[in-house]
Formats: sequence, C-alpha cells, structure tokens
Amino acid sequence: AQKITQTQPGMFVQEKEAVTLDCTYDTSDQSYGLFWYKQPSSGEMIFLIYQGSYDEQNATEGRYSLNFQKARKSANLVISASQLGDSAMYFCALASGSARQLTFGSGTQLTVLP
Amino acid sequence: DVKVTQSSRYLVKRTGEKVFLECVQDMDHENMFWYRQDPGLGLRLIYFSYDVKMKEKGDIPEGYSVSREKKERFSLILESASTNQTSMYLCASSPPDRLPYEQYFGPGTRLTVT
Repeated sequence: AQKITQTQPGMFVQEKEAVTLDCTYDTSDQSYGLFWYKQPSSGEMIFLIYQGSYDEQNATEGRYSLNFQKARKSANLVISASQLGDSAMYFCALASGSARQLTFGSGTQLTVLP
Repeated sequence: DVKVTQSSRYLVKRTGEKVFLECVQDMDHENMFWYRQDPGLGLRLIYFSYDVKMKEKGDIPEGYSVSREKKERFSLILESASTNQTSMYLCASSPPDRLPYEQYFGPGTRLTVT
C-alpha cells in the first residue's frame, strides 16, 4: 500500500526567506513518482514539481526545488525567496508503478508573513 | 491549454436529494478521478475510471456512484445526500498508463448538504 505523510499542518515563513515543507512516503514499488501541488484559497490544485524515483538529480522549477532522499523516503519541497502569493495549502502526492492513481498527504498550510 | 471543468463551484442541497456533480475534460485523457477534500484529511479518492463505461472504487466509495458514458465526461452521483457528504469535491484527469501520471484538476465544487 502507498502512504504519504506530511507532519506539518501549518507553517509560517517571513517574506523573502526560504522554507522547507516535509514529506515522507512509503511504497514497495521500485518505480514511482512524487508530486507537489499548491492549493490557494480559491480551491484549484496547481502542479508545482515532479520527481521520478530513477531521477538522479533533484527536480527544480524556478523557486521550487524538491529535496529527494531516496534512502530516507523523503521528498521535501523547498521554496526559496518566499512571496506573499505563496500562502496556500501544499500537498505532496505519490504515484507508483503498480497503481494509476495518486495518494495524497494531509497537506501543509503555509502562511507567508510580510 | 489543459482544461478540466466542473459544473458548479458552489452547491447547496437538502438531505435525501439526489445530487449530480459533472466533470468535463478537453485533453482526451483516458483516466478520470473524483476526490473529496476535508480539512486535515487531504484528498481522498472516491472513484476513478480508466475508460468509457469503466469504473473502479477508490478509498471511500460508500454513498457515491459514478457514470462515464463519454470519454470527456465523468459524473459523480450522490444517491441520497447526507450531511456528512458536505465537502469539497475535486475532479481530475490524467493521460494513459505511464508515470508520472500527472493529474490535471478542475476548480472544485463546494457542496453543502443541509
């Protein structure tokens, strides 16, 4: 069975600082993928970044990077130079080779302070 | 541009009513999904479909059914709405069988059952 754990229900960060959102996962599959989505208060889910289990380098997309530590089964999201618009709920999700659907964590509510 | 639309952003229904939530995607995706989102629980999969007229139960199918008569449309049906089905409902679609199974989400429907 697949499982995603996000242990931080809420986080605060000062504007322009970096923040790390934690995510650990559990799967018995060798081939899998990890996603991060952002959900602003308006409700839509916005794809941020993807990391494949066989990717040797950590994924980066602009100010977002994924700190992938395979042995520890962690896939933390790092947001550099936080902006007020980064305030949102963030979800980590796992897709494994044996299942077509995503398994989501419970989310982290990030608040960026001016 | 990728597009997933849901029939309503906000819906208020009475206990016992039959409720239809519609989802349409224009990306010719085979896979479609219905989730419900509740605070502290993240997204939980209700039903999904790999093809027209095919459906699979997710983690929490009780009290729901689905219909997929056309590839682009996936409907979620609450046969007899109850107050514990008050929630945010999110529809998603994804391309066929391969990682990363990135899912594209609709804007969500906030359903209140009174």
